[in-house]
Amino acid sequence: DAGITQSPRYKITETGRQVTLMCHQTWSHSYMFWYRQDLGHGLRLIYYSAAADITDKGEVPDGYVVSRSKTENFPLTLESATRSQTSVYFCASSPLRDSPQQFFGPGTRLTVL
Amino acid sequence: KQEVTQIPAALSVPEGENLVLNCSFTDSAIYNLQWFRQDPGKGLTSLLLIQSSQREQTSGRLNASLDKSSGRSTLYIAASQPGDSATYLCAAPSGGSNYKLTFGKGTLLTVNP
Repeated sequence: DAGITQSPRYKITETGRQVTLMCHQTWSHSYMFWYRQDLGHGLRLIYYSAAADITDKGEVPDGYVVSRSKTENFPLTLESATRSQTSVYFCASSPLRDSPQQFFGPGTRLTVL
Repeated sequence: KQEVTQIPAALSVPEGENLVLNCSFTDSAIYNLQWFRQDPGKGLTSLLLIQSSQREQTSGRLNASLDKSSGRSTLYIAASQPGDSATYLCAAPSGGSNYKLTFGKGTLLTVNP
């Protein structure tokens, strides 16, 4: 189906482990984004990408790594997970040039024990 | 730094009422403003995007207005229905971009049958 998908939808991991969250979009949107949503903080931008091989930091990038080798994929890696990274992670995409509207995936709920 | 505030944090109304959700932002040099809806456990759905050159945008029973000079936007929902129950989020761009969004913490709307 067309759209934006995230996997896994739920993940439990332990402190210190590496975790990769996947995001895939079928619209060929140029821009992609990663957000985290926490009670009391709302949604905050972690990283974004303007095109393949172009990424930049958002508001809360520490502890995260991204890559974008293909336009349709934008994985987010937690190199050494910490409890403070327990959150719901949302991926989004936008065509931007035509419209800056952002379209969100269903989210990944990550728990770090 | 852009800051976005939404008032009220929660709102409960009987079915059929017209209602207004408020959003204020501190940096008025924005290119656009977006309103989203989030259902429990789900991702965000884009409702309306207002470009800085527009003052209003309408979609069905929803009407969003933008007043850059006062740093305010409102989302008007006409003839509310129980299916409108959700959290409504306002997002304004920051850092001189039109895509690095800063989100408000949302208004939780409950429409009672």
